[in-house]
Amino acid sequence: DGGITQSPKYLFRKEGQNVTLSCEQNLNHDAMYWYRQDPGQGLRLIYYSQIVNDFQKGDIAEGYSVSREKKESFPLTVTSAQKNPTAFYLCASSIGGDSYEQYFGPGTRLTVT
Amino acid sequence: GQNIDQPTEMTATEGAIVQINCTYQTSGFNGLFWYQQHAGEAPTFLSYNVLDGLEEKGRFSSFLSRSKGYSYLLLKELQMKDSASYLCAVLDSNYQLIWGAGTKLIIKP
Repeated sequence: DGGITQSPKYLFRKEGQNVTLSCEQNLNHDAMYWYRQDPGQGLRLIYYSQIVNDFQKGDIAEGYSVSREKKESFPLTVTSAQKNPTAFYLCASSIGGDSYEQYFGPGTRLTVT
Repeated sequence: GQNIDQPTEMTATEGAIVQINCTYQTSGFNGLFWYQQHAGEAPTFLSYNVLDGLEEKGRFSSFLSRSKGYSYLLLKELQMKDSASYLCAVLDSNYQLIWGAGTKLIIKP
């Protein structure tokens, strides 16, 4: 079955620690995205990548970093510089080109205390 | 700035019809998406409108008026499993999705 996987579902970290969230897709999609979702707000774009070895900052990239070394994988690191990291993080992918429908993974809920 | 407005919460009765509105002001327009998101889960695609008019897909329909910056999602024959948040998102001039905060729909028996 093709899809997007994110692990773990729940993640707890202490303040000051970096943490990496996993996102893997076997849909053969070119484009991948990271969003965060906070209560009462729309999804906000953190980073996106349209092709391997290339990525761009979204609206709220500060305190985050990504890599895209393989087509299937787009891990997100939440660094200690991110002032308010507790949130629900969603990874998505799309075919690319003229297709913009995004397919989402199940999400990772990160809690930093 | 870019702005998408949806009601925060709506309540409807099982078997009834509900219309969820979305108004938008964005830098350019290349289409509008509706997604459904159950609590704590991933959003799933419902519809995509790029031309004016109504698109019907089973119990769900989506309408778009580009001149008014307006869309609605119509859900018929409501079922308890339709209780979820419904997200409106606009593809802007840079082909980035701008998301509304979502409308939480509560279905009562």
